[in-house]
Amino acid sequence: SQKIEQNSEALNIQEGKTATLTCNYTNYSPAYLQWYRQDPGRGPVFLLLIRENEKEKRKERLKVTFDTTLKQSLFHITASQPADSATYLCARGGGDSWGKLQFGAGTQVVVTP
Amino acid sequence: GAGVSQSPSNKVTEKGKDVELRCDPISGHTALYWYRQSLGQGLEFLIYFQGNSAPDKSGLPSDRFSAERTGGSVSTLTIQRTQQEDSAVYLCASGGTSGGYEQFFGPGTRLTVL
Repeated sequence: SQKIEQNSEALNIQEGKTATLTCNYTNYSPAYLQWYRQDPGRGPVFLLLIRENEKEKRKERLKVTFDTTLKQSLFHITASQPADSATYLCARGGGDSWGKLQFGAGTQVVVTP
Repeated sequence: GAGVSQSPSNKVTEKGKDVELRCDPISGHTALYWYRQSLGQGLEFLIYFQGNSAPDKSGLPSDRFSAERTGGSVSTLTIQRTQQEDSAVYLCASGGTSGGYEQFFGPGTRLTVL
């Protein structure tokens, strides 16, 4: 079956450090990957999109990479802050139904002061 | 409001009853999605509406689940003869304007089947 996998263990990190999250996928290489942030009791919020022909995308303190050879995306939060504590979801799209996304289970990030 | 809204925010029902969940997307968005999220799990795709095209129903788990979108706007997800395993948060999202693929999510409806 087609899978999209994220680290299930929470990532505990000290304020100011860089958090790095991994998203691995199987089978087909997606046309694009998206990253979302989800806080408890709320719907996910879109952060970044990276297309298959892009190696890297940045937005403020966030950076996403896309390696189609490794079938992997890395998501970095630089200079992390306690307000960055949340669950981060990876999603792939552009398959048989263009807008449809397949989500990973997410990785929880906890940033301590 | 500017965002996606869903109602009710919480729904408790008894096994075997039917429920309807409502989603009001962002005005002008052509795409509308329904997902289900169980505790500690990722989002499970249910159904996808895009403009006037036939919906992608490939994620609906059984024929007890159905959804419609009226006038290209409001959508209703209906679950008939609810089962305890249907308990989850049901999330709606909209998107699809200006070539952007990002999805804008509502706050979800928490469904509890007793």
